[in-house]
Amino acid sequence: GAVVSQHPSRVICKSGTSVKIECRSLDFQATTMFWYRQFPKQSLMLMATSNEGSKATYEQGVEKDKFLINHASLTLSTLTVTSAHPEDSSFYICSAEGFFDTQYFGPGTRLTVL
Amino acid sequence: AQKVTQAQTEISVVEKEDVTLDCVYETRDTTYYLFWYKQPPSGELVFLIRRNSFDEQNEISGRYSWNFQKSTSSFNFTITASQVVDSAVYFCALRAGANSKLTFGKGITLSVRP
Repeated sequence: GAVVSQHPSRVICKSGTSVKIECRSLDFQATTMFWYRQFPKQSLMLMATSNEGSKATYEQGVEKDKFLINHASLTLSTLTVTSAHPEDSSFYICSAEGFFDTQYFGPGTRLTVL
Repeated sequence: AQKVTQAQTEISVVEKEDVTLDCVYETRDTTYYLFWYKQPPSGELVFLIRRNSFDEQNEISGRYSWNFQKSTSSFNFTITASQVVDSAVYFCALRAGANSKLTFGKGITLSVRP
């Protein structure tokens, strides 16, 4: 139980394009989902908290217009990186809050912007 | 404010050795949860354990055991008879009060050599 999927697992795009990453809780409903960014050999950095049916709450320093988050259902949240640039290249991980207030993580998406 | 300190950054052991990963936390909340996650080279964070602040019982799961001590604000993780498959980055995390965000430590890279 408590499986979270993420799609795509890897994406390479050209600078200036937008990329959408999907995060799904497969066997449970998640009112709250989270989006993280992780740089090589570093810990996870929370970008935003996403609540179903309402606007996401962004962490300080994270551009809302750059990283669009939508949590349209209890099993799906999406992160769109708009007008991506090479500095947006990173490993993006989502999590869904499930049983006993535990966050279950997706497998991550490695974004490379050329 | 919450804080999680994983003072060890890298640990290298030979297979079958026991190894303890340290975690020290700080919070003013009386209700909080502590977690350990494993991040293998594939990148996905795997949930290992959740412990709430009112339950100081130690836990054992196969070769894994956890020692929670509120007196020293520590939640240490021991792997007995380590195996190569245990090689990963291990994160300790704290969820405190009404806030559902996780505060992560910097992670400990464990390498188990055959």
